[in-house]
Amino acid sequence: DIQMTQSPSSLSVSVGDRVTITCRASQTVSNYLNWYQQKPGKAPKVLISAASNLQSGVPSRFSGSGSGTDFTLTISNLQPEDSATYYCQQTYSTPPITFGQGTRLEIK
Amino acid sequence: DVQLEESGGGLVKPGGSLRLSCAASGFIFSNYGMNWVRQTPGKGLEWVSSISSGRSYIYYADSVKGRFTISRDNNNNSLFLHMNNLRLDDTGIYYCARLSLARGVSWFDPWGQGTLVTVSS
Repeated sequence: DIQMTQSPSSLSVSVGDRVTITCRASQTVSNYLNWYQQKPGKAPKVLISAASNLQSGVPSRFSGSGSGTDFTLTISNLQPEDSATYYCQQTYSTPPITFGQGTRLEIK
Repeated sequence: DVQLEESGGGLVKPGGSLRLSCAASGFIFSNYGMNWVRQTPGKGLEWVSSISSGRSYIYYADSVKGRFTISRDNNNNSLFLHMNNLRLDDTGIYYCARLSLARGVSWFDPWGQGTLVTVSS
């Protein structure tokens, strides 16, 4: 199974900051890497598919990059509504589909 | 509007059974693979099971293999998860999610709101 490791596990940042979340796969997943945002009490929502494709309706301050085993989710000009937990997911080598453990983002 | 709505969660004793349902609307259900994902305090988001649009391909996580059965009714736009021999660590929120696909890459979108399964004596 491919293990997905996110870092950091949590972070606290200020409005207007830029933040980068990292996701590392235990073996290559090519670009089969997706990012989700989950707010408390809500279901996850896809932000980025195929490592860098921004989903319709997602603000352009979100961006993704990477391929192979190392990926990043960057949020520029952080807004209060970006407070959430972010997950990466690989759909390259399945089953199983695997998720990272999550990164909790708090806005100061 | 594309929507998924789960139901069927509840409190069940260890060793018990439960059937979850997911009602789909706003899209051609029979054209899409579907998934169950659970969220537990201990393991975060965990993929549970997948079923292809025509039921030809079915997969399970090792943790539920032999205990859970995924099925679908394309005539009634519904997805199911039959859960038997439930264990304490099956406790969590269970989501159904549609498999979206583009240029060979797949992702889950949308997700339902989730249904809570609690296994406790």
